[in-house]
Amino acid sequence: GENVEQHPSTLSVQEGDSAVIKCTYSDSASNYFPWYKQELGKRPQLIIDIRSNVGEKKDQRIAVTLNKTAKHFSLHITETQPEDSAVYFCAAANSGSRLTFGEGTQLTVNP
Amino acid sequence: EAGVAQSPRYKIIEKRQSVAFWCNPISGHATLYWYQQILGQGPKLLIQFQNNGVVDDSQLPKDRFSAERLKGVDSTLKIQPAKLEDSAVYLCASTARANEKLFFGSGTQLSVL
Repeated sequence: GENVEQHPSTLSVQEGDSAVIKCTYSDSASNYFPWYKQELGKRPQLIIDIRSNVGEKKDQRIAVTLNKTAKHFSLHITETQPEDSAVYFCAAANSGSRLTFGEGTQLTVNP
Repeated sequence: EAGVAQSPRYKIIEKRQSVAFWCNPISGHATLYWYQQILGQGPKLLIQFQNNGVVDDSQLPKDRFSAERLKGVDSTLKIQPAKLEDSAVYLCASTARANEKLFFGSGTQLSVL
């Protein structure tokens, strides 16, 4: 089955700096890669997703890049704000299969 | 639109007791998932339903966990008997089709003492 590894497990940045979280996956058939944000005690919320026919996708301060050859994808957050502090999860799935999550990255944005 | 509804929000039981969780997905969503999220870890899929049929239950500990979605709408997840290591948040999620945006419920936080 699919295996998703996520790094780093914790990330601390200063407000206004950029944050990058990286994930690798094992199943070359995976074609859907979402990122979820989970605040303490709350449900995971989708923030951005990318499919395998696209190399990069942006939504305001958030971007995701995908390298299918290397089987890795990354989340980039620019101009970080304190409200970006949360746990971020990457995930991967192929058509119709289960969504496999990484172990999460605790992002802390210091004012 | 209404979100995924789950109940109860919290549950505390002793080991070897039984517990059941309920989920009502977003109206029209054919695919329903139950995930287990242990503190500090990512969600792990327990079971996936497509309408009222099981698509994937390969990671469900079938000796103690069971789930059903009889009418293809709401679903229940049961643990009998519970173990200490079952302490986790149980998240229900739904989507209109596989590999589309997953909508999560608020989860049930289970503590097994």
